[in-house]
Amino acid sequence: GQNIDQPTEMTATEGAIVQINCTYQTSGFNGLFWYQQHAGEAPTFLSYNVLDGLEEKGRFSSFLSRSKGYSYLLLKELQMKDSASYLCAGKALSAYSNYQLIWGAGTKLI
Amino acid sequence: DSGVTQTPKHLITATGQRVTLRCSPRSGDLSVYWYQQSLDQGLQFLIQYYNGEERAKGNILERFSAQQFPDLHSELNLSSLELGDSALYFCASSPGQDTQYFGPGTRLTVL
Repeated sequence: GQNIDQPTEMTATEGAIVQINCTYQTSGFNGLFWYQQHAGEAPTFLSYNVLDGLEEKGRFSSFLSRSKGYSYLLLKELQMKDSASYLCAGKALSAYSNYQLIWGAGTKLI
Repeated sequence: DSGVTQTPKHLITATGQRVTLRCSPRSGDLSVYWYQQSLDQGLQFLIQYYNGEERAKGNILERFSAQQFPDLHSELNLSSLELGDSALYFCASSPGQDTQYFGPGTRLTVL
């Protein structure tokens, strides 16, 4: 089956570093997305990992290990505006060579 | 601003009614996705269209339907509305099967 797991909630303080983990159990995954969503607003794209390793974008970095079915989003130098939900989504092959995103429930960062 | 537009921003209606939500994708994007997000819940994938054709169906109720028109805009029709249909409805678009860019959403309240 296809399943994405991430913690429901995490707390951190301004200036700190926080790591949000995401695990997936599926076959046919072809990459992993991270989105940020502030309450009542649309999700906004943060990163996409298709190969193993760490990708850094300013204060945010994302890591993927395909063999372990594991990803994390690392947020450094936390700011108040980073309080949001962080959604992990796996790109999975579905019928007719179509890819779909399988979404995690989101991690609320307080 | 993602480039995806949705109208209306807010919609208040009564149980049993029917509403239509509209989405215009980013210029050049062929895929449109519809999602439902109830309060403090995750995103629930409803349906995907690609260049006018239905590509994938998620947890979409039979009371709900959608279509994508030749100019690539899409409409989501919700009928026989129930209290539980109150939610944020997001549309997202992508060039093909790549990164999805979300519109601002339509907040539907069913009284």
